[in-house]
Amino acid sequence: EAGVAQSPRYKIIEKRQSVAFWCNPISGHATLYWYQQILGQGPKLLIQFQNNGVVDDSQLPKDRFSAERLKGVDSTLKIQPAKLEDSAVYLCASSSLIPGSRAGYEQYFGPGTRLTVT
Amino acid sequence: GNSVTQMEGPVTLSEEAFLTINCTYTATGYPSLFWYVQYPGEGLQLLLKATKADDKGSNKGFEATYRKETTSFHLEKGSVQVSDSAVYFCALPLSGGYNKLIFGAGTRLAVHP
Repeated sequence: EAGVAQSPRYKIIEKRQSVAFWCNPISGHATLYWYQQILGQGPKLLIQFQNNGVVDDSQLPKDRFSAERLKGVDSTLKIQPAKLEDSAVYLCASSSLIPGSRAGYEQYFGPGTRLTVT
Repeated sequence: GNSVTQMEGPVTLSEEAFLTINCTYTATGYPSLFWYVQYPGEGLQLLLKATKADDKGSNKGFEATYRKETTSFHLEKGSVQVSDSAVYFCALPLSGGYNKLIFGAGTRLAVHP
């Protein structure tokens, strides 16, 4: 079974530029997550999709971050304009679990995109 | 809401030493508990989990027991290897469902030959 794919793996941009990240979840997984992982910290949830609908985007800085999941499969996360504090690893994860299920919350993570904003 | 606290790292051990990484939590009810591992340059992988009190999760020689009395889920391994060098994250669901997890800050483990 193929894992969660992400691209690019690394990106360096200047502040105020824009950037986009792509994620392809495990086939059949309805739930997709984007996390931001700042160096030395645990992942922080930015947005959660169930199929192509947003379940939670309360931690997403909507003035500069946007995300979409067209057709309920691939997803893109965009930052425009980027700030220095956006330097982090952006992780995509997927899960086959139904929202509200107690059945384990197991999430499968991609390798991440390391973003450096200079 | 639910929260998790992990011991700070880094933890540096010699090969074959005993490992303990502490994790304590605050939660409503008795949620499932998880340990994830992140090897250098990779995403997180589920290492083990426990879904109810007194359960013991185990995988790859690692173990953790769900202790509701002490609200803890400490990770242990009897004999670490160099290949265990990674960052370990304790996690539990956010209150409110929808399969959202909150992660501890992570504990970096370095094992030397």
